[in-house]
Amino acid sequence: GQQLNQSPQSMFIQEGEDVSMNCTSSSIFNTWLWYKQDPGEGPVLLIALYKAGELTSNGRLTAQFGITRKDSFLNISASIPSDVGIYFCAGRMNYGGSQGNLIFGKGTKLSVKP
Amino acid sequence: GAGVSQSPSNKVTEKGKDVELRCDPISGHTALYWYRQRLGQGLEFLIYFQGNSAPDKSGLPSDRFSAERTGESVSTLTIQRTQQEDSAVYLCASSLYSGGPQHFGDGTRLSIL
Repeated sequence: GQQLNQSPQSMFIQEGEDVSMNCTSSSIFNTWLWYKQDPGEGPVLLIALYKAGELTSNGRLTAQFGITRKDSFLNISASIPSDVGIYFCAGRMNYGGSQGNLIFGKGTKLSVKP
Repeated sequence: GAGVSQSPSNKVTEKGKDVELRCDPISGHTALYWYRQRLGQGLEFLIYFQGNSAPDKSGLPSDRFSAERTGESVSTLTIQRTQQEDSAVYLCASSLYSGGPQHFGDGTRLSIL
């Protein structure tokens, strides 16, 4: 089946640091989405990308849809404690139809440096 | 509320029993999805409903799993003869249109003893 490689798997942040994570795929995607999941809750959509090269910001978060359509990155600037959680990338190869499902990466877990 | 609602939030049952999980999508959302999330893992697609079209069942792991949806409203995911490997969080999502951003419920945490 289709695979998404998300990295890093985990990282520790110190308040104020910038954070970067990315996803790569062996297939071309038409949509890239980034979600954040807090413990005991469902994933919450952060940013949606629909066009190759698109760069979109949501507050301190910035995500880009790679030109090759096989990758995407998410940056968090000036991190704060509430940024901790698990971030998932997700991609979709088709617009709707019978394959409306997303393929998810395994997540990047953000924790606070001890 | 205005979000996706799932019930129960937690379910503990004995191996071999059947379980039924419920999802109330956001009103007006035509597409509905079920995912499984094992501990520390990403989301695994199970099944997708779009309007009155035949559902995409390609992600269901075995014939013990089935799901139904009544029109564009409530959906139920049924797992028959549960096994310990079925223990996971089952997440439901809905989107306004097929291919649109998906909005998730908080999931049902299923534990099989």
